[in-house]
Amino acid sequence: NAGVTQTPKFQVLKTGQSMTLQCAQDMNHNSMYWYRQDPGMGLRLIYYSVSEGTTDKGEVPNGYNVSRLNKREFSLRLESAAPSQTSVYFCASNRAYQETQYFGPGTRLLVL
Amino acid sequence: DQQVKQNSPSLSVQEGRISILNCDYTNSMFDYFLWYKKYPAEGPTFLISISSIKDKNEDGRFTVFLNKSAKHLSLHIVPSQPGDSAVYFCAARGAGSYQLTFGKGTKLSVIP
Repeated sequence: NAGVTQTPKFQVLKTGQSMTLQCAQDMNHNSMYWYRQDPGMGLRLIYYSVSEGTTDKGEVPNGYNVSRLNKREFSLRLESAAPSQTSVYFCASNRAYQETQYFGPGTRLLVL
Repeated sequence: DQQVKQNSPSLSVQEGRISILNCDYTNSMFDYFLWYKKYPAEGPTFLISISSIKDKNEDGRFTVFLNKSAKHLSLHIVPSQPGDSAVYFCAARGAGSYQLTFGKGTKLSVIP
């Protein structure tokens, strides 16, 4: 039981490049979330998916797209990376109506 | 407009003493509060939570207190141990919402 896994662990991009961050959970959770954490800041919600087939915007969705591929997987895509998207990205999941969210280890992204 | 505030960026405590981490919120619609612990290069891990219908919740060395009239909660760690050194995030959830709103975190250092 790996919990929430994220790939890659670390990535360097040039401005304008695109990439997809992958997240998978093996806890049979319905809901999945993408956050970013910047220095001196708390975690801010980018997008979330309460069930397969649905996605919703969070606090900071601009510049990102998401896909809920199936119940296990939720990906985050940067179509044209910008230096302002340099951050650590965390994926999380939980059961429907459960307050506690369980986090993955994070992806550190550097955009030059 | 920060709805969840952790006004102390850092806190140092001697091993064996009590650590008190504070959190204030402004949104009266929040009905559930959580504390997460985060070590460097890892994802946040759930520590303890409290519903707005309670004023105290205890789990081993960790106790969370909620003062709804003051919109204030605190996390007490007794006794503090060096392994407790980490960043602690306060988070809140609005009634009927899937989203968590995080504070900026407090870095706790427990000195042996």
